[in-house]
Amino acid sequence: EDQVTQSPEALRLQEGESSSLNCSYTVSGLRGLFWYRQDPGKGPEFLFTLYSAGEEKEKERLKATLTKKESFLHITAPKPEDSATYLCAVQAGNGQNFVFGPGTRLSVLP
Amino acid sequence: DGGITQSPKYLFRKEGQNVTLSCEQNLNHDAMYWYRQDPGQGLRLIYYSQIVNDFQKGDIAEGYSVSREKKESFPLTVTSAQKNPTAFYLCASTPGQRGTEAFFGQGTRLTVV
Repeated sequence: EDQVTQSPEALRLQEGESSSLNCSYTVSGLRGLFWYRQDPGKGPEFLFTLYSAGEEKEKERLKATLTKKESFLHITAPKPEDSATYLCAVQAGNGQNFVFGPGTRLSVLP
Repeated sequence: DGGITQSPKYLFRKEGQNVTLSCEQNLNHDAMYWYRQDPGQGLRLIYYSQIVNDFQKGDIAEGYSVSREKKESFPLTVTSAQKNPTAFYLCASTPGQRGTEAFFGQGTRLTVV
C-alpha cells in the first residue's frame, strides 16, 4: 500500500531561520512526488513536481529535493508570508490518483 | 482565467438531507477528483474520473455519489448515508497523463447542523 508521512507535524521558526520539512514515502513505482502549499480555508497551491532521485527544484526561498525514500522541502531565510501548511503527495506507477501526507504546519514569526 | 470553481464555499446540511457540491473546470482536463480533508489528516480520495461517463471509487466512497456527464463538471452528492459529513471538500483536476500535477479548487466547507 502506498503511504506518505510528513515531519514535523508543526514547525515554528523565527523570520530568517532556515529549516527543512521531511516527506517520507513508500510507493510501488513512483510516477511523481508533489509539494503543495495550503493556506487556511483555501485549496492547495502547487509548488513542485519531482520525478527521480537526485532531482532538485527551486522557487524563491523554497528548494525541494528527492531521494529514493524521502523528499525534503528546504526553506531558506523564511518570511512570515511563508506561514502555511505544506503538503506532500505521490502518484504511483499504476495509479491515477494521488496519495497525500498529513502536512506540516509552518509558522514563521516576525 | 482557467481554473477550477467549487461552489458553494460554505454549506450547511440538516440530518438526513442529501446535498450536492459543485465542481467546474475550464482547463480542458480529462481527470477530475474529489478529496475530503479533516483536521490533522491528509487529503483522502472519495471518487475520481478519468473520462466522461466513467468514475471509480476512492478510499472513502461510502455515503457519497458522483456523476460525470460533461468533461468540465464533476458534482459530488453527500447522501444521508454518510454519517460524519462535516469536513472540507476539495475538487481537483489533471490533464490525465500520469506524473502531472493536480490543480485544486478553493474548497467547500460542509457542516451538519
